[in-house]
Amino acid sequence: SQQGEEDPQALSIQEGENATMNCSYKTSINNLQWYRQNSGRGLVHLILIRSNEREKHSGRLRVTLDTSKKSSSLLITASRAADTASYFCATDAAGNTGKLIFGQGTTLQVKP
Amino acid sequence: DAGVIQSPRHEVTEMGQEVTLRCKPISGHNSLFWYRQTMMRGLELLIYFNNNVPIDDSGMPEDRFSAKMPNASFSTLKIQPSEPRDSAVYFCASSLSEGLWGPQHFGDGTRLSIL
Repeated sequence: SQQGEEDPQALSIQEGENATMNCSYKTSINNLQWYRQNSGRGLVHLILIRSNEREKHSGRLRVTLDTSKKSSSLLITASRAADTASYFCATDAAGNTGKLIFGQGTTLQVKP
Repeated sequence: DAGVIQSPRHEVTEMGQEVTLRCKPISGHNSLFWYRQTMMRGLELLIYFNNNVPIDDSGMPEDRFSAKMPNASFSTLKIQPSEPRDSAVYFCASSLSEGLWGPQHFGDGTRLSIL
């Protein structure tokens, strides 16, 4: 079964608005990562948050992690048309094996 | 810096043929991952290597699939014989792991169509 589940599956917003995507997982983790995938391309790593961290920022990205609720959120502020992509959360399997399990992703469309 | 390089980008072949996908990881990375992505099943990990040694191949669907990493700069994923249900986008990714596992860097994938 999937470790990470994203919500919503699809999101459509206007340029300039904020976009929030959520991820829930089932077992304990060492870290949680967010990736972006543009159409026809490979995944690109955005941000990694460790289990002992609660919030992390990178440019217009803000990630939070709540290990008690086994959930994470990715916030993109002041969205741009170029942010249109699919976004995936990924969690490492228990035991620090390096094996990532990806969710099904959120498809974000930012309208100009 | 060169990223992960995969070849070919597209492959169309008939059922029963042997298919070989190739991957060159980022220089200096010591871990390599093969994934398969489909609309129905999402992104699935097939196999991964650490320091050229296969660590976990539990995601390899059948004996028709095999992967090798003869050296730190090259890996192959082979399907023999291929079947229509193998049609998918296959990604290779690499990362540097030094105690803790770092982010993975993906190639742009091979889009495989089995007729």
